[in-house]
Amino acid sequence: QQQVKQSPQSLIVQKGGIPIINCAYENTAFDYFPWYQQFPGKGPALLIAIRPDVSEKKEGRFTISFNKSAKQFSLHIMDSQPGDSATYFCAASTSGTYKYIFGTGTRLKVLA
Amino acid sequence: NAGVTQTPKFQVLKTGQSMTLQCAQDMNHEYMSWYRQDPGMGLRLIHYSVGAGITDQGEVPNGYNVSRSTTEDFPLRLLSAAPSQTSVYFCASSLAGNTGTDTQYFGPGTRLTVL
Repeated sequence: QQQVKQSPQSLIVQKGGIPIINCAYENTAFDYFPWYQQFPGKGPALLIAIRPDVSEKKEGRFTISFNKSAKQFSLHIMDSQPGDSATYFCAASTSGTYKYIFGTGTRLKVLA
Repeated sequence: NAGVTQTPKFQVLKTGQSMTLQCAQDMNHEYMSWYRQDPGMGLRLIHYSVGAGITDQGEVPNGYNVSRSTTEDFPLRLLSAAPSQTSVYFCASSLAGNTGTDTQYFGPGTRLTVL
């Protein structure tokens, strides 16, 4: 049962563009929403995370926007670079459960 | 620190064979977990452990066994491999498994093909 829906499946942008990846969840008990970045042949790595008590979080060129009422959150990559080309996964969890539910992933390609 | 290590990197099995995927971490993390990654499915939790001697099931545990005899190691056993278990398997660890504060570190993965 897919509890976190991620879109788009793939995305191509020009260097300097702002790709946006969206996720929607159903379970209102989720209280932690991380994003992971995965390069080919590597394991995922934590990129940035947000809690529902804030609407936005920035770390460098990466920004998460969070809409609690719509049960949606998005990753924005400012001034995207070819080195950002990777697969991005959103995830959600509930504190104390030790479990994450992952989205299906978005393959991003940034053209030079 | 080597972080999270996994062996082997690649494995081909025939249906019905058994094997163990190895996972080790040198960060003294209490929490370890196994995921499988399939195209269009994201990562799905198979089993996890919150400390030596303690394991629990995740989202897709059928066909897999785990045990945790030491803090460092968390092997995943396939008892009788099936083609549906063809996937990329990732091991991950975090300090205590607190999903709200502990960063989860992933290994490089094992690509398993079952013929």
